[in-house]
Amino acid sequence: GAVVSQHPSWVICKSGTSVKIECRSLDFQATTMFWYRQFPKQSLMLMATSNEGSKATYEQGVEKDKFLINHASLTLSTLTVTSAHPEDSSFYICSALLVSETEAFFGQGTRLTVV
Amino acid sequence: AQSVAQPEDQVNVAEGNPLTVKCTYSVSGNPYLFWYVQYPNRGLQFLLKYITGDNLVKGSYGFEAEFNKSQTSFHLKKPSALVSDSALYFCAVRDIYGSSNTGKLIFGQGTTLQVKP
Repeated sequence: GAVVSQHPSWVICKSGTSVKIECRSLDFQATTMFWYRQFPKQSLMLMATSNEGSKATYEQGVEKDKFLINHASLTLSTLTVTSAHPEDSSFYICSALLVSETEAFFGQGTRLTVV
Repeated sequence: AQSVAQPEDQVNVAEGNPLTVKCTYSVSGNPYLFWYVQYPNRGLQFLLKYITGDNLVKGSYGFEAEFNKSQTSFHLKKPSALVSDSALYFCAVRDIYGSSNTGKLIFGQGTTLQVKP
């Protein structure tokens, strides 16, 4: 299957700083990328949908100014957690959708810990 | 609105026994259904999907799922469980009928499968 690479796998940052997470589709062009947040032993909560070259569509209750999403190319989307606080600590997962496929492919996830 | 339900938080099974992880869905029209598996601190791995065709779908690692339209179910099955199958399993439906038609996935709550030796 298609490969989606997410970086970093884990990050620890100080409260008030910003953290950028990258999501790359390695061997295909992704028309759409999705960003999810997952709390321990819970399901994935969709944060936003991003399409290359356009603004991301955020789900209700997700602060767009706090979770900045950039989708500059068909192979790269980034999520920046701005002014991070301990409550932002979570597991963030991206996924990418191919034009020709029906299933999405997921990155390895990023464990963010804000101290 | 489309939704997916996984009624069991956890399923326990002995190694070598058959396993079933349940999933029911509610959609408008014909569903695109998926199963994914997640190991600790990892992303999701695709197992199998139902789009159209045969109701019995075979996927990775010996898993299969049966699409049952009358019962709106898509249960995941495996004839003989392995300890290494222990993980978190998600059923999902693809939203192809939303106004934005982005194709986003709607996930069930997840079921932890514990296979004991």
